Amino acid sequence: EAGVAQSPRYKIIEKRQSVAFWCNPISGHATLYWYQQILGQGPKLLIQFQNNGVVDDSQLPKDRFSAERLKGVDSTLKIQPAKLEDSAVYLCASSLGLDRPATSPLHFGNGTRLTVT
Amino acid sequence: AQSVAQPEDQVNVAEGNPLTVKCTYSVSGNPYLFWYVQYPNRGLQFLLKYITGDNLVKGSYGFEAEFNKSQTSFHLKKPSALVSDSALYFCAVNQAGTALIFGKGTTLSVSS
Repeated sequence: EAGVAQSPRYKIIEKRQSVAFWCNPISGHATLYWYQQILGQGPKLLIQFQNNGVVDDSQLPKDRFSAERLKGVDSTLKIQPAKLEDSAVYLCASSLGLDRPATSPLHFGNGTRLTVT
Repeated sequence: AQSVAQPEDQVNVAEGNPLTVKCTYSVSGNPYLFWYVQYPNRGLQFLLKYITGDNLVKGSYGFEAEFNKSQTSFHLKKPSALVSDSALYFCAVNQAGTALIFGKGTTLSVSS
């Protein structure tokens, strides 16, 4: 099966600019996650979708971050305006299960490495 | 609040020797525990999970992990390490109604 696709792989922007990341999950996976991985730390959940509804966005900085999952398939994550501390790898993951917590394994994309200068 | 700790930033082991990567957790109820591996410039890959049942779970690439409720631990093990096992390993935990929480990761370095 095709894996989770993410683009772009790398992005360099200046602070206060905006940026968007795209994710295409594995076909048939109902649940989609966006994680932020800062260098030297484990991934931190930003937002979880179940089909096209938000399940958990408690750690999403909503003043600058937004995400959507139109039609319950692809998803985009946007940052506007970016800050220096947003430099990180942004990982998209999907899972088959509709249960929560996810006892189904998460399948991760290769991530987008964002550098904010 | 739930949390997971990986006390070692790095584990070094010689090829052919057994390896252990440590993980402890804190949750208020029954935990669901996972191990993931990350290779350079790649996303995380699922290795194994404990949901319920047998405390010893087996996963991909010859890895196994033992759930110890009394010690709140879920250490990752492999009887004989390979150089190709060198990577970053993450332990993760969740429980009913909560999101998956990851540890900070442990770098495993296997020397030939």
